[in-house]
Amino acid sequence: GNSVTQMEGPVTLSEEAFLTINCTYTATGYPSLFWYVQYPGEGLQLLLKATKADDKGSNKGFEATYRKETTSFHLEKGSVQVSDSAVYFCALSPPGTYKYIFGTGTRLKVLA
Amino acid sequence: GAGVSQSPSNKVTEKGKDVELRCDPISGHTALYWYRQSLGQGLEFLIYFQGNSAPDKSGLPSDRFSAERTGGSVSTLTIQRTQQEDSAVYLCASSPPPLNTEAFFGQGTRLTVV
Repeated sequence: GNSVTQMEGPVTLSEEAFLTINCTYTATGYPSLFWYVQYPGEGLQLLLKATKADDKGSNKGFEATYRKETTSFHLEKGSVQVSDSAVYFCALSPPGTYKYIFGTGTRLKVLA
Repeated sequence: GAGVSQSPSNKVTEKGKDVELRCDPISGHTALYWYRQSLGQGLEFLIYFQGNSAPDKSGLPSDRFSAERTGGSVSTLTIQRTQQEDSAVYLCASSPPPLNTEAFFGQGTRLTVV
């Protein structure tokens, strides 16, 4: 079946540190891949996406590359800010469907 | 409105009562989803609609849960005879065609069963 596995949190970093949140998936074919972010007290919002192998999604300094060979979509940011503190969800949408499957989320806390 | 709207934003109910949660998707979005987010947990898929039909109801936890969508727009999630384990944030999302595009989420309804 289709599933998403992301690293356990919480992740605590100092401001300006490098961030990686790992995400791997299991799916048939070529799903679309997403990172969503949930800031404290807010709803989920799309951070970035990629729809085919080797695509790189990017937004707000965050990047993730669709790696078919390793079935991964790791989220990275070179220099985190306190304002990046949030819960990050990796998700996939299987080809030919509207369905979205989410990982369990990774809480990031950035300290000043 | 500009985004997905859910009401109420908070609901406290007594165990055994029925509750209805409402979702107004973004106009023109053909797909609509309900998810549940429990404290410390990820997003649990409940049901999705394509137009007014529900091709996938596999996530509904029990027959106490039901959902409908009318006019290809508003959706209602109903929980009958609520239990304490139903306490969670219920999230609605919608997405436009074509397939596999972004899902837009509402702010959620926080349900507390006491």
